[in-house]
This record gives sequence, structure tokens and C-alpha cells, in this order.
Amino acid sequence: DSGVTQTPKHLITATGQRVTLRCSPRSGDLSVYWYQQSLDQGLQFLIQYYNGEERAKGNILERFSAQQFPDLHSELNLSSLELGDSALYFCASSKQGAGELFFGEGSRLTVL
Amino acid sequence: QQQVKQSPQSLIVQKGGIPIINCAYENTAFDYFPWYQQFPGKGPALLIAIRPDVSEKKEGRFTISFNKSAKQFSLHIMDSQPGDSATYFCAAASGGGADGLTFGKGTHLIIQP
Repeated sequence: DSGVTQTPKHLITATGQRVTLRCSPRSGDLSVYWYQQSLDQGLQFLIQYYNGEERAKGNILERFSAQQFPDLHSELNLSSLELGDSALYFCASSKQGAGELFFGEGSRLTVL
Repeated sequence: QQQVKQSPQSLIVQKGGIPIINCAYENTAFDYFPWYQQFPGKGPALLIAIRPDVSEKKEGRFTISFNKSAKQFSLHIMDSQPGDSATYFCAAASGGGADGLTFGKGTHLIIQP
């Protein structure tokens, strides 16, 4: 158990809909990362937050947004969903935004 | 643009063999190179990491070899076991790991009994 909690574990929705994925980092970790994992693209970095502030942005679509709240949990919002958004979405956390990342077990999103 | 290229995509090795997974990077600012191991249904977990001031690092049966001039690094698994069957990802980051990790596409490793 990495200590990172992600909900929901599975989510099935329709094209055009909006979903929110939630992540609770390990106790004491200030940095949260979101990654998308698909079969053909591997692990794609989406976005990083550090103590509530956006720190780095990767290949995140404009339809996607994220935030980190004062209690350090984070949410990833995916809107106007398309079939190609079906993937595993991982949240990871680290202490100071450096070094080892601890990953949750992921949220599997299926868009029909 | 993929900044970390990983090969092979899949690998089958007999128990006791030494699987080798290779990665190459382009960004000379990268200064932190971890390997993550992922089992089905789980998130990736850190296996071993190296910084460019050393050419080799061993932790148990796992060894990273690093060639700074060639911008390549590799993972060797000594005396491989069926329990090592997993997907392995190399990654790289700058800022000593402070910036978001860029992952390779992964290697699906199967160790046959």
C-alpha cells in the first residue's frame, strides 16, 4: 500500500460527459502529480501541484483541469469526454516535489 | 515528442536469466533516472534510481548501468524469478527529480519458470 488513495477505482460514462477523479496523497506529501496511462502511450505526465499551486504542466488537454485543495487532496476534472479519453488515470505524491513518487492504484475510466 | 525511448516493448526470459531493458534520452538537463515496476492492477512503484555522477548502481538483484556520454541507461535483473514478471518503466527528470517524471513506454517482462 503506497498510502495514496484514488477514487473511484472504476468509472464508466458516455461521450460528452464530465467526470471528477479524486486523489488523497500520502500523509505529509506536498506534491501531487497526475498521469494518464494508455496501452499505446505509456505513462503520460499531465500536471503537478505543489502545496496548492500548479508547478508543472505536461500533455494535459484543455478539456482537462485539476486543482489541489488546502488539505492537499487533488481533483482531476475531465470534460466533454471522448472515446480516446478511456485510460487509467494515476495520481502520485511526493514529499517535496522531488525524488520518489508514490502512486495510487489508479482510476480506470471507460468512455462509451 | 517522446523524450525517453525504451526497448524492448516486451521480453520473455527463462528463470535465472538476465533480462536487460534499455532506455535512451535526449534532454541533457535530465539528472535523475529511476526505474519503476508495475504489477497488474497496481500503480507503478519505485524499484531503483541513479543520478549521473555514478555509472552503476546495484540494489539486490537489480542493477542500473548509466552511460552519460551516450545518454543511455539500462536495467539488469540478475537471477530473474517468475515473481519479477511485471511491466518496467524507465523515467527521467531534471531538477534532481523535482520536475515531473518523463516515462518510457514500458517493457512487459515475463519470466518463464
